[in-house]
Amino acid sequence: SQTIHQWPATLVQPVGSPLSLECTVEGTSNPNLYWYRQAAGRGLQLLFYSVGIGQISSEVPQNLSASRPQDRQFILSSKKLLLSDSGFYLCAWGRGVGHEQYFGPGTRLTVT
Amino acid sequence: DAKTTQPTSMDCAEGRAANLPCNHSTISGNEYVYWYRQIHSQGPQYIIHGLKNNETNEMASLIITEDRKSSTLILPHATLRDTAVYYCIVSPEGVYNQGGKLIFGQGTELSVKP
Repeated sequence: SQTIHQWPATLVQPVGSPLSLECTVEGTSNPNLYWYRQAAGRGLQLLFYSVGIGQISSEVPQNLSASRPQDRQFILSSKKLLLSDSGFYLCAWGRGVGHEQYFGPGTRLTVT
Repeated sequence: DAKTTQPTSMDCAEGRAANLPCNHSTISGNEYVYWYRQIHSQGPQYIIHGLKNNETNEMASLIITEDRKSSTLILPHATLRDTAVYYCIVSPEGVYNQGGKLIFGQGTELSVKP
């Protein structure tokens, strides 16, 4: 069976500090991978998606970036966090045909 | 651009059927209707999807109108654990949507009450 891991579960970072969130998937190969963000009381916003190693598509221009160094690893980064980067960050994977996506447990980021 | 319209919130009595409506009047011929739900502080969970025909699985039923401009998600016997935000999403499949992207709206907050 497939599982998706995200860490850390919670994170408190000061403004201007760097960020690295990691997501890994087990039990499948060549998945599509996605990063979403959910601000408090808001809907999910798609940030990045990837259809293969090194292939990243950005949906919303901002101070975040994503990388996919391995088939089942997806990393979300920032060089300098802003207060507006606070939120619930979710990683998801899908098989690419159709839109059944499976979400990880999420990372709750608070920028202070 | 909002492709779907859902009520902001709904209540349902425990044990009764929950019927969640969704309007998608501008849906294209190659777009599917997907439903997800998000329980508080968790990631969204896939429920069901369909193109034209009604669909049923162990979680829910999806009824799509003949003109495909609206649909209803039915939870046949709602429990307290079904309290969540339910998202209706329309999205093309396959070659029309590389990457299988989903665009989530605000959804319907369903409260199942004892």
